[in-house]
Amino acid sequence: AQKITQTQPGMFVQEKEAVTLDCTYDTSDQSYGLFWYKQPSSGEMIFLIYQGSYDEQNATEGRYSLNFQKARKSANLVISASQLGDSAMYFCASPGYSSASKIIFGSGTRLSIRP
Amino acid sequence: EAGVAQSPRYKIIEKRQSVAFWCNPISGHATLYWYQQILGQGPKLLIQFQNNGVVDDSQLPKDRFSAERLKGVDSTLKIQPAKLEDSAVYLCASSLDLQETQYFGPGTRLLVL
Repeated sequence: AQKITQTQPGMFVQEKEAVTLDCTYDTSDQSYGLFWYKQPSSGEMIFLIYQGSYDEQNATEGRYSLNFQKARKSANLVISASQLGDSAMYFCASPGYSSASKIIFGSGTRLSIRP
Repeated sequence: EAGVAQSPRYKIIEKRQSVAFWCNPISGHATLYWYQQILGQGPKLLIQFQNNGVVDDSQLPKDRFSAERLKGVDSTLKIQPAKLEDSAVYLCASSLDLQETQYFGPGTRLLVL
């Protein structure tokens, strides 16, 4: 069965430092995609960035970028120059690319930014 | 562009009562999702609609949960009867099409006493 693994339950980072959040996707599919979402304490899930397995380059969106390692099926989220407002839960998710692969979310990483 | 709307935002009921949640997706989005998020966990997909047809409801507890998407737009999720373990946040999301980026509503926090 497919599974998304986020190995860091919680992380503390100093403001303005860069941080990397891990995500690995256990799947037999060769074609897949991975999303990253941010969930502040208010509860709403906010889309950050997406990586497809056939994308030639690592995805970037402003301060967010992905360190995509196709062979490992991992798409680690890098947040550059962290800000206090980055404190939140971060979830990695798969949209499901075939009838055999379901939409699933990882267990999340709680990121806390220290001033 | 208006986002995904959900109501109510909060609901407190006693076990064995029934409850219903409503979701209005982003205009033009064909795919609608309902998730259950228990405190401290990632969201779990309950049901996925494409227009007004069900794509995946394999994790929906069908003995107590039901959902429909009328005319391929709004959707309702119902729980009858509720159990204590149904206490969670129920998130609705929509996307332009299957496997596209999902945009989430603010969620409904349900507490079953």
